[in-house]
Amino acid sequence: SQQGEEDPQALSIQEGENATMNCSYKTSINNLQWYRQNSGRGLVHLILIRSNEREKHSGRLRVTLDTSKKSSSLLITASRAADTASYFCATDAGGNNRLAFGKGNQVVVIP
Amino acid sequence: DAGVIQSPRHEVTEMGQEVTLRCKPISGHDYLFWYRQTMMRGLELLIYFNNNVPIDDSGMPEDRFSAKMPNASFSTLKIQPSEPRDSAVYFCASSRPGQGNTEAFFGQGTRLTVV
Repeated sequence: SQQGEEDPQALSIQEGENATMNCSYKTSINNLQWYRQNSGRGLVHLILIRSNEREKHSGRLRVTLDTSKKSSSLLITASRAADTASYFCATDAGGNNRLAFGKGNQVVVIP
Repeated sequence: DAGVIQSPRHEVTEMGQEVTLRCKPISGHDYLFWYRQTMMRGLELLIYFNNNVPIDDSGMPEDRFSAKMPNASFSTLKIQPSEPRDSAVYFCASSRPGQGNTEAFFGQGTRLTVV
């Protein structure tokens, strides 16, 4: 079953602005991951945050995790047209190495 | 490594025909996943393997779907007979969990259209 639920579903921003999207999940997790999917392509791993971490950075990406609220956020700073894509969160609940994905956020960055 | 390789990239078939999708995982990865993506249902996990053994096939929608992994470098997903509602993009992914890192590597997907 799908665990992650991203919010909002679609986001349109101007180049240079920041984009924030959220994800909630239902059960305990070992880690939470964010993936990007460009149109017509497979998903690409962006960043992983473990359950004992609260914040993590990678380049222009910033991920937060609040295990008490069972939620995570992905912030893309100084967005570029190339950031236009769908973004998915995924959790590995149950410790069985399988990933459950949310329905994704579509982000459009207008040049 | 070339990454996860799926074939074909596109498949158009008539209802009732058998369809076979193929996947070559990344060498050394011991987990392999088959996902299906549609606009309505998002990304659904169909089945996954560990060391070539099916671990959980509860996501396989019907008996018309079957998956095999005869060796560590090859897996197939078969639909027989195919139906229009099977139209979707099918992704294969592989991973090598270690020290809690379950990052999955996805293939480019097979876009299946059943007419």
